[in-house]
Amino acid sequence: EAGVTQSPTHLIKTRGQQVTLRCSPISGHTSVYWYQQALGLGLQFLLWYDEGEERNRGNFPPRFSGRQFPNYSSELNVNALELEDSALYLCASMRSASSYNEQFFGPGTRLTVL
Amino acid sequence: AQSVTQLGSHVSVSEGALVLLRCNYSSSVPPYLFWYVQYPNQGLQLLLKYTTGATLVKGINGFEAEFKKSETSFHLTKPSAHMSDAAEYFCAVSDLKAAGNKLTFGGGTRVLVKP
Repeated sequence: EAGVTQSPTHLIKTRGQQVTLRCSPISGHTSVYWYQQALGLGLQFLLWYDEGEERNRGNFPPRFSGRQFPNYSSELNVNALELEDSALYLCASMRSASSYNEQFFGPGTRLTVL
Repeated sequence: AQSVTQLGSHVSVSEGALVLLRCNYSSSVPPYLFWYVQYPNQGLQLLLKYTTGATLVKGINGFEAEFKKSETSFHLTKPSAHMSDAAEYFCAVSDLKAAGNKLTFGGGTRVLVKP
């Protein structure tokens, strides 16, 4: 069974630009979570999508947004990039959010904002 | 709101020595507790989890953790460190009812294993 995949692996952007990160969950998983791992700030919850809907978001500004597609893959969009957006962005998928299930993490996308 | 505190951002152990990583949590509801490991330039891998039942939980790679409700702790141990244990370890708590299994992480503990 293939794991959670994320693309791209790395990318470099400049301040003010926009970026889209992609995540493909494990087959059969309907929930996707996004986390940000920034230096000095630890791992923080960003967004949760389930069955195509945004269900919860963390304490991040609206320029962080995303969506989940009918095949349960997900995109994370960040507009008007700032230097502090430099981080490893981790995606995790889960079989169902209706009861306890384990989250499986992808390898992450490392974003550098110059 | 839930929170997780990991005591010590860096821990250095000798190969073959005991590994002890401390985790304390706060939660208004019975928590689900996790330990994840992150190797350099990789994502997170689940080491072990506590949901219900037995409070001593065994995980992969020889790690185990004990849930102590009275102390609100979930410390991670391994009797004998191996060089391959050098990594960053994260304790996390989730609340199914409030936020659909959203994970709240501690700040992480980086483990260095000395030969």
